[in-house]
Amino acid sequence: EVQLVESGGGLLQPGGSLRLSCEASGFTFSSYEMTWVRQAPGKGLEWVSTITGSGDKSYYADSVKGRFTISRDNSKSSLFLESNSLRADDTAIYYCARRYCSGINCYHFDFWGQGTLVTVSS
Amino acid sequence: DIQMTQSPSTLSASVGDRVTITCRASQSVKSWLAWNQQKPGKAPKVLIYKASTLESGVPSRFSGSGSGTEFTLTISSLQPDDFATYYCQQYNTYPLTFGQGTRLDIK
Repeated sequence: EVQLVESGGGLLQPGGSLRLSCEASGFTFSSYEMTWVRQAPGKGLEWVSTITGSGDKSYYADSVKGRFTISRDNSKSSLFLESNSLRADDTAIYYCARRYCSGINCYHFDFWGQGTLVTVSS
Repeated sequence: DIQMTQSPSTLSASVGDRVTITCRASQSVKSWLAWNQQKPGKAPKVLIYKASTLESGVPSRFSGSGSGTEFTLTISSLQPDDFATYYCQQYNTYPLTFGQGTRLDIK
């Protein structure tokens, strides 16, 4: 059974640090690109960042570029998202999601985790 | 960046109705478009991918069509479980982008 379980959310200070984790099971983790998508309270879905299966490339939304870092540990089937310069508008539920890539083609998000809530407030 | 615009933003309908949601892309995404359903407090779930392919396990009352810049999601006969928010999403180009969502309410 495929599972994605996020953790690391909570109440954090503006300018503070964040380390989210997403533990994967039930599939060959290294075969999938992994992505973080967030959803501010009462708002829509916003793509945040993606990392390739091997971890050699990563992509970021302009809203987080230079502040957030995505990484993965394929030996532990784990995905991470880190920041050390949080802002109030980073408050959101953060979901991890997987998508399969074959050659140059990458497909849709076919499985999402349940999310972890990050609240940035003093 | 490719902007995805959904219409309507809110839709009120009754059980048994046929409903259509439209998604327009600011430039071509070919057929690399997915439709996701989200219920309150839950993660999104894919319904349709590659514009018109039904995800495994999704009821056949859901269908998708379109290519390039114009796409539609149709629910042929609304069921009580279908009242939710629907998001289109392009996965042709980074940054990956979502529509703003369409909330489907019970009339």
